Amino acid sequence: QKEVEQNSGPLSVPEGAIASLNCTYSDRGSQSFFWYRQYSGKSPELIMFIYSNGDKEDGRFTAQLNKASQYVSLLIRDSQPSDSATYLCAVNIGLRRYGGSQGNLIFGKGTKLSVKP
Amino acid sequence: KAGVTQTPRYLIKTRGQQVTLSCSPISGHRSVSWYQQTPGQGLQFLFEYFSETQRNKGNFPGRFSGRQFSNSRSEMNVSTLELGDSALYLCASSLEAYEQYFGPGTRLTVT
Repeated sequence: QKEVEQNSGPLSVPEGAIASLNCTYSDRGSQSFFWYRQYSGKSPELIMFIYSNGDKEDGRFTAQLNKASQYVSLLIRDSQPSDSATYLCAVNIGLRRYGGSQGNLIFGKGTKLSVKP
Repeated sequence: KAGVTQTPRYLIKTRGQQVTLSCSPISGHRSVSWYQQTPGQGLQFLFEYFSETQRNKGNFPGRFSGRQFSNSRSEMNVSTLELGDSALYLCASSLEAYEQYFGPGTRLTVT
């Protein structure tokens, strides 16, 4: 059974702080990793993806991947109240082929982040 | 570019009925995946279509089915609805890579 685990939270941080969200996965064959943000009542929005070990930065967001430890994290710098949402970690073990992805995304249950003004 | 669109946005059905949900992917995207989201189980994969062929299927009963048309639009059908089928049904489209972009979802309530 392929699993993705996240701390459900809630994780509460003050405005301007760094929020650190963590995720572990069980399948060593996993090849790509995603972070989605989901506001209450809305659909998930893709905010970061990472395929290789190491760090990937995009604005205030940094995704970190350690395949040996089967661990992926998301750091949000200078957290804002508008970052308050549920963050979903997703893993895909499918093969990458021309014309479309293959495989399916396995999601964690999400971590609820609350940024206090 | 327009995003993923799903219709209808809200639906109320009675147990035993069937329902069809529609998804139009981002222009140029050929892969469409469907997911079910519930408070208890979270987001779960239903199936994925690419070029009118089902490539992957999740662990859902045969009452859940889907198809994809030549223009990449996709539909999913749930027959003999049960109360437990009440959920947010999400469609996601993808181009070449793994990145999947979700539509707004269809909120299905079964009474």
